[in-house]
Amino acid sequence: QKEVEQDPGPLSVPEGAIVSLNCTYSNSAFQYFMWYRQYSRKGPELLMYTYSSGNKEDGRFTAQVDKSSKYISLFIRDSQPSDSATYLCAIPAGGTSYGKLTFGQGTILTVHP
Amino acid sequence: NAGVMQNPRHLVRRRGQEARLRCSPMKGHSHVYWYRQLPEEGLKFMVYLQKENIIDESGMPKERFSAEFPKEGPSILRIQQVVRGDSAAYFCASSPIQGSSYNEQFFGPGTRLTVL
Repeated sequence: QKEVEQDPGPLSVPEGAIVSLNCTYSNSAFQYFMWYRQYSRKGPELLMYTYSSGNKEDGRFTAQVDKSSKYISLFIRDSQPSDSATYLCAIPAGGTSYGKLTFGQGTILTVHP
Repeated sequence: NAGVMQNPRHLVRRRGQEARLRCSPMKGHSHVYWYRQLPEEGLKFMVYLQKENIIDESGMPKERFSAEFPKEGPSILRIQQVVRGDSAAYFCASSPIQGSSYNEQFFGPGTRLTVL
């Protein structure tokens, strides 16, 4: 079983739609959970991170963690064509806040006008 | 404050040649990570270094690959005797000194290696 699993999509939605991106993980020791966005031919950039369970909101983006089911989600409200990118969930190893990141496969999102 | 810099951005090598990838971390960052992104796959961790020390190389292939982060100068990922399967995008990330809060890893633009 992979440590982090993510549906690669691709996902295509109309502008203004609510997007839900999801990952599952296997190790209950994980404490920090990240979402990175990667535009084509670019390096990943951190969108949000959360610690332990709960929700975190930043503008149109909401990150959610459910540790009981080992499930993490990223919601994008009022999606825009500029949100078209690959979204990667990532988890630092061993429950720490630093060190190597284990990434999901990435979900390719296209928001069309 | 300049971001993480990687060079070259594109590198073409023939089978059997050596590839050297360079990474200059952000100013003030003393931790460097290398990741590889193969076509149709996610980012995979390779190695984690601090100045003059390899902290975690659990993701490095046992042969042909090596990494260093000297006291002065950029971090280098070296691939000897490249094969076609080494063709990938190689990303470097840096983070500041460890602390009690999460230390974000800032990624460079990547080096795209093509092996002919």
